Amino acid sequence: NAGVTQTPKFQVLKTGQSMTLQCAQDMNHNSMYWYRQDPGMGLRLIYYSASEGTTDKGEVPNGYNVSRLNKREFSLRLESAAPSQTSVYFCASSSGTGGLVDTQYFGPGTRLTVL
Amino acid sequence: AQSVTQLGSHVSVSEGALVLLRCNYSSSVPPYLFWYVQYPNQGLQLLLKYTSAATLVKGINGFEAEFKKSETSFHLTKPSAHMSDAAEYFCAVSLHGSGNTGKLIFGQGTTLQVKP
Repeated sequence: NAGVTQTPKFQVLKTGQSMTLQCAQDMNHNSMYWYRQDPGMGLRLIYYSASEGTTDKGEVPNGYNVSRLNKREFSLRLESAAPSQTSVYFCASSSGTGGLVDTQYFGPGTRLTVL
Repeated sequence: AQSVTQLGSHVSVSEGALVLLRCNYSSSVPPYLFWYVQYPNQGLQLLLKYTSAATLVKGINGFEAEFKKSETSFHLTKPSAHMSDAAEYFCAVSLHGSGNTGKLIFGQGTTLQVKP
């Protein structure tokens, strides 16, 4: 049982390049999330998927797109990377049945640098 | 709007000393509150959560937190710090409202340093 996995672990991009961050969970969870973590700002929600086939914007969606490929996988795409997107990206999942007290389970993160 | 504020971005304690990490919330509806811990180069993991069942919540690794409505606080404590407690700690609140179920708002984080 691997929990939440993310690939790649590290990535360096040049401004304007595109890339997709992959996330998968093996806990049969309904809900999945993408966050970015920046120093002194905590975690901020980029996009959210309550269930397979649905996605919703979070606090900071500009410059990103997501795809909930199936129940297990939730990918985050940067179409034209900018230096402001240099950050650590975390994927998380939750059962989606716990309502307001649902626990989120996090992946190990992807460290992205945009030059 | 709901929010959490963590007082002190960096806290340093000696091994064996009391750990106190502060979190205050703002919410016009009953809040559901969480503490997550992030060890170096890892993702976050749940320490404990307040679900309104009890105001004193016990979590993993000897941590506990007390919900105080009158003070709008949910401070995290541990009686005796261990070197392995060195990490970043995040307080979070669940967002109420249609379409928000499951979403969390995180505080800025507090880095705990434990000195030998």
